[in-house]
Amino acid sequence: EDQVTQSPEALRLQEGESSSLNCSYTVSGLRGLFWYRQDPGKGPEFLFTLYSAGEEKEKERLKATLTKKESFLHITAPKPEDSATYLCAVFLTARQLTFGSGTQLTVLP
Amino acid sequence: GAGVSQSPSNKVTEKGKDVELRCDPISGHTALYWYRQRLGQGLEFLIYFQGNSAPDKSGLPSDRFSAERTGESVSTLTIQRTQQEDSAVYLCASSSGTFGTDTQYFGPGTRLTVL
Repeated sequence: EDQVTQSPEALRLQEGESSSLNCSYTVSGLRGLFWYRQDPGKGPEFLFTLYSAGEEKEKERLKATLTKKESFLHITAPKPEDSATYLCAVFLTARQLTFGSGTQLTVLP
Repeated sequence: GAGVSQSPSNKVTEKGKDVELRCDPISGHTALYWYRQRLGQGLEFLIYFQGNSAPDKSGLPSDRFSAERTGESVSTLTIQRTQQEDSAVYLCASSSGTFGTDTQYFGPGTRLTVL
């Protein structure tokens, strides 16, 4: 059973077209949720950590939010350099960090 | 001052051979993690080292996989008798805190191809 589901699998946006990526989880006892960005051929790059429902974090054009069942990564006025795969991961119990399969974002100029 | 480094960046091997993958964590980071990422999939946790404590090997898929770490420095992931299903990118990460509570910094990965 999938514990972490990201949607959509792929997203193509025009430059400046805002949108949101979703990460939903079906487990209880969430201790933290992480967002990473991964460029082709590189390791994931940390973006945000969220710990409790209602929490929000922002960085440049990105804003991450968390509810009891899902997290959203909002991208405002994206640029081509925002193209990457965005991964979320949930930290459940001690020593269990489960990653979603990612959303591949392409921003067209 | 560099980030996490991994070597080799690419490794092609024949089925049945043993391979060793190396990870150099960020200096001072006590925690080190290994993950596997199959094509188009998320990361699978393999093993976690924290300081001098016994490693958490709960993610290792079979006894063909093993890992060692010398103190708080270099780690080696060894895969014995490689199989085609072992083909993946193997990622290493390090952090200064404990599992899940602190930011993990990832290396670029080693792409393993088993023919």
